[in-house]
Amino acid sequence: DVVMTQSPLSLPVTLGQPASISCRSSQSLVHSDGNTYLNWFQQRPGQSPRRLIYKVSNRDSGVPDRFSGSGSGTDFTLRITRVEAEDVAVYYCMQATQWPPYTFGQGTKLEIK
Amino acid sequence: EVQLVESGGGLVQPGGSLRLSCAASGFTFNRYWMDWVRHAPGKGLEWVANTNEDGSKKWYVESVKGRFTISRDNGKNSLYLQMNSLRAEDTAFYYCARDCNWRGCDYWGQGTLVTVSS
Repeated sequence: DVVMTQSPLSLPVTLGQPASISCRSSQSLVHSDGNTYLNWFQQRPGQSPRRLIYKVSNRDSGVPDRFSGSGSGTDFTLRITRVEAEDVAVYYCMQATQWPPYTFGQGTKLEIK
Repeated sequence: EVQLVESGGGLVQPGGSLRLSCAASGFTFNRYWMDWVRHAPGKGLEWVANTNEDGSKKWYVESVKGRFTISRDNGKNSLYLQMNSLRAEDTAFYYCARDCNWRGCDYWGQGTLVTVSS
């Protein structure tokens, strides 16, 4: 199975400051079709997960442009340019290149300092 | 608007069974893979199972193989998860998600809680 490793697991951030979450995979996530199936999800307290970013860097409709995804191969990053109160959540990366199973990172809990 | 609504969760004793349902609307159900993903208390997300558009192919995470069965009824726009021989470690919120394969789980339901306890 592909192991997804996120860091940090806890991320205290001051409002208005940037935040960055790293996600590393144990194997390359480049699919034979040329795509890289690495997605990012946000799970706010008491809510279902919500997809933010798909295929590394494509932002979902309605997701603020302060969120961005980047990376390649085995190394990926989710960035928030200026953290807002509504960004308090657990963030997960997930790979869908080599399956079954699809695998998630452990989750990164973003909180406001 | 895409909607996924799970039901069927509850409290069950170890060794017992439950059948979860997911009612889909707002999209052409028979054109999409469908998945179940769970979230145990204090843990991360875990993909459980999926099935292709016509239900002819099914895949499972190793820990549920032989105990859980995913199925779908395209005539009823519904996805199911039959869970047998339940264990305490199966306690979790279970989410129905659309197409974790090609579309990266683009829509999720609100989840249904399964508690396995004596």
